[in-house]
Amino acid sequence: QKEVEQNSGPLSVPEGAIASLNCTYSDRGSQSFFWYRQYSGKSPELIMSIYSNGDKEDGRFTAQLNKASQYVSLLIRDSQPSDSATYLCAVRSGPGYSTLTFGKGTMLLVSP
Amino acid sequence: KAGVTQTPRYLIKTRGQQVTLSCSPISGHRSVSWYQQTPGQGLQFLFEYFSETQRNKGNFPGRFSGRQFSNSRSEMNVSTLELGDSALYLCASSLDPGLAGRNNEQFFGPGTRLTVL
Repeated sequence: QKEVEQNSGPLSVPEGAIASLNCTYSDRGSQSFFWYRQYSGKSPELIMSIYSNGDKEDGRFTAQLNKASQYVSLLIRDSQPSDSATYLCAVRSGPGYSTLTFGKGTMLLVSP
Repeated sequence: KAGVTQTPRYLIKTRGQQVTLSCSPISGHRSVSWYQQTPGQGLQFLFEYFSETQRNKGNFPGRFSGRQFSNSRSEMNVSTLELGDSALYLCASSLDPGLAGRNNEQFFGPGTRLTVL
């Protein structure tokens, strides 16, 4: 059973702070990693994808991957109230049409 | 480029009825995946189609079925509805999940909110 674990939160940070969201996965063969943002009542929106060890930056977002530790994280710099949402970590294991497994998400609350 | 579209957006059915949901992927995307999302269980994978073939299936009863057409549009059907089937049903498309990199990024549609009374 492939598992993706996230702290359910809520993670509360003040406006302007760095929010750090974490995710661990069980399948060591996993090759593709994604972060989605989901606002209440809306569908998930892809915000970051990462495929190799290290950091990947896109605007205020940085994804970090450590395959040895089976750990992926998302940093949000200069957090804004509009970043308040649930963040879903998703992992795809290998090629060959393997499925995308989602964590249950971490709720982030950014207070003004 | 238009995103993933799903119809209908909202649906109310009674127990025992059946329902068909539709999904049109992003133009050029050949893979469609379906998920069920509930507050308690999160996002659960139903099935994935690529080039009209079911590539993967999640752990759902046979009442849940799907298909994909030659234009990559997909439908899922739930027969003999139960109260527990009330959920947000999400469709996601990708270029080709069998390839590495950005080809396997999945993009979600707005979802169909199904309520079973």
